[in-house]
Amino acid sequence: DVKVTQSSRYLVKRTGEKVFLECVQDMDHENMFWYRQDPGLGLRLIYFSYDVKMKEKGDIPEGYSVSREKKERFSLILESASTNQTSMYLCASSYGGAGAGNEQFFGPGTRLTVL
Amino acid sequence: KNEVEQSPQNLTAQEGEFITINCSYSVGISALHWLQQHPGGGIVSLFMLSSGKKKHGRLIATINIQEKHSSLHITASHPRDSAVYICAVLPRDQGAQKLVFGQGTRLTINP
Repeated sequence: DVKVTQSSRYLVKRTGEKVFLECVQDMDHENMFWYRQDPGLGLRLIYFSYDVKMKEKGDIPEGYSVSREKKERFSLILESASTNQTSMYLCASSYGGAGAGNEQFFGPGTRLTVL
Repeated sequence: KNEVEQSPQNLTAQEGEFITINCSYSVGISALHWLQQHPGGGIVSLFMLSSGKKKHGRLIATINIQEKHSSLHITASHPRDSAVYICAVLPRDQGAQKLVFGQGTRLTINP
């Protein structure tokens, strides 16, 4: 079974703190994604990566950065957390290549609260 | 207007009822996904469609590419089907796997 794990299920941080969210997948997937999910807004793509050290901005990258030093790990970084970054964060991965719309496998999510 | 619209936003039904959730989209697509999210956050992929119809157990997904519309049906619904169902499309001109998501349909099945 494909497994996507996230470092924390729940996280509480203070405004201005630097926050690291870690995601690890065990299926040698090329593509990895970070989303946030908010009521009424659905899932929105923050950043994605299609290879080691490669990254592309999604729809809402402001206030976030990412790191992919190893194929299995994709980190989301909030350089200076703000209250409007309180949200559910979901990581996903998928095979790359020519397959159209390859199935994405999601992690369990991290519910981040910024006070 | 969102590129992907789902209806209804909320649906409550009795156990055993036939359920239909609709998804309309406005762009040309390579594929459409139906996802399920249970309370607690975990999301699983139910179907990936590019044409026609797929069936898995009590779940059936259909897509009409010309009408830019897909439906997810649940037969003999059960309380364990209670979840949020999310439609997502991959626009045809997207080089990478950037899905566009609907806002989800919250389904509650009462015993």
